[in-house]
Amino acid sequence: LAKTTQPISMDSYEGQEVNITCSHNNIATNDYITWYQQFPSQGPRFIIQGYKTKVTNEVASLFIPADRKSSTLSLPRVSLSDTAVYYCLVVIYNQGGKLIFGQGTELSVKP
Amino acid sequence: NAGVTQTPKFQVLKTGQSMTLQCAQDMNHEYMSWYRQDPGMGLRLIHYSVGAGITDQGEVPNGYNVSRSTTEDFPLRLLSAAPSQTSVYFCASSSGGREDTQYFGPGTRLTVL
Repeated sequence: LAKTTQPISMDSYEGQEVNITCSHNNIATNDYITWYQQFPSQGPRFIIQGYKTKVTNEVASLFIPADRKSSTLSLPRVSLSDTAVYYCLVVIYNQGGKLIFGQGTELSVKP
Repeated sequence: NAGVTQTPKFQVLKTGQSMTLQCAQDMNHEYMSWYRQDPGMGLRLIHYSVGAGITDQGEVPNGYNVSRSTTEDFPLRLLSAAPSQTSVYFCASSSGGREDTQYFGPGTRLTVL
């Protein structure tokens, strides 16, 4: 499974756009990039998943360059409630249940 | 539709005791997994299952047993608890396929004295 590297922590202020970059140099052809969010004392929650280019949903956008060796999670106009740990994962297609989590990025949003 | 449920929410054990952490899902998912999360760290995969009767080991399987007799349930057994197993345990399920979004339970906080 491809190893991911992301910043340990980030600070932001309410209303700003936050971009968290993740590197995954040895991603394989069939792998997908997936991001999860975890609040204290809760299980992780799926945010977004993509294979290449750009994916957008009601929560975030995911940008993946052509070489797929990195990806960027973009959270538009963050609020205090976006304070959480964000995990970037590389997921092998149809390998359900085999998520390998790194340390994640602890995002702190300040007023 | 309750999603993924886990019981108990909290448990304290003495070293050497055994117990079973329960996990159930009502989404008819084929895939189920157990993770542990230690303070300040990401989740680590203990065991997973791709369907009833099929289980396999994850990153940290030692000291834990699992079985999957039904699609809905995936219990995790601690055979002889050790202080190193003090952690928060999360169960997850997914349907597999391209999207393969995992749904996590609320967790069980286990302390082994």
